[in-house]
Amino acid sequence: NAGVMQNPRHLVRRRGQEARLRCSPMKGHSHVYWYRQLPEEGLKFMVYLQKENIIDESGMPKERFSAEFPKEGPSILRIQQVVRGDSAAYFCASRITHHPDYGYTFGSGTRLTVV
Amino acid sequence: AQTVTQSQPEMSVQEAETVTLSCTYDTSENNYYLFWYKQPPSRQMILVIRQEAYKQQNATENRFSVNFQKAAKSFSLKISDSQLGDTAMYFCAFMITGGGADGLTFGKGTHLIIQP
Repeated sequence: NAGVMQNPRHLVRRRGQEARLRCSPMKGHSHVYWYRQLPEEGLKFMVYLQKENIIDESGMPKERFSAEFPKEGPSILRIQQVVRGDSAAYFCASRITHHPDYGYTFGSGTRLTVV
Repeated sequence: AQTVTQSQPEMSVQEAETVTLSCTYDTSENNYYLFWYKQPPSRQMILVIRQEAYKQQNATENRFSVNFQKAAKSFSLKISDSQLGDTAMYFCAFMITGGGADGLTFGKGTHLIIQP
């Protein structure tokens, strides 16, 4: 079991470009969560998805950010027209079920640098 | 809204010593979970220990234990017989149960350094 796979591990984008971050959850996990970690900060919840559905996007900026988790393939976090303030580590976590007794498994994150 | 506060940005102890990391939280909810996560330099978030708020007994996992004081909204982590591999950032986290969003709310972390 390969765990939660995120790629790329590092991503450099110029201001105004698009960033696409990918997350493949653990096998059998249909619940995916995205978090953002700014320097010297803890992780901040962004969005919660199940297959083909966005369940909660209350932590996602209203503009430029979007997320999807298609029926086939990885979950994608997309940031359009990136700005310097988007520079952060973005983590994906997955769970097998919504039930709180089942814990999260985190990936190793994608570090986005906007230059 | 829930908040999690970790008041110690950095701590340093000698190998084999015991160290306690503090965490307080604020919520009006009654049903929730609390967690401690470890983030080594590899960046991966690793679950250390979990506590259900409805359980009075403190959780224990080998060298790691918690002191959960629900009335005081305090959730400290004790690491006994500390090892060099314990060096990492430690994050306290909170999760509401029973409907609605169930994302985690994290504190800002404590950087723990174990000295040889």
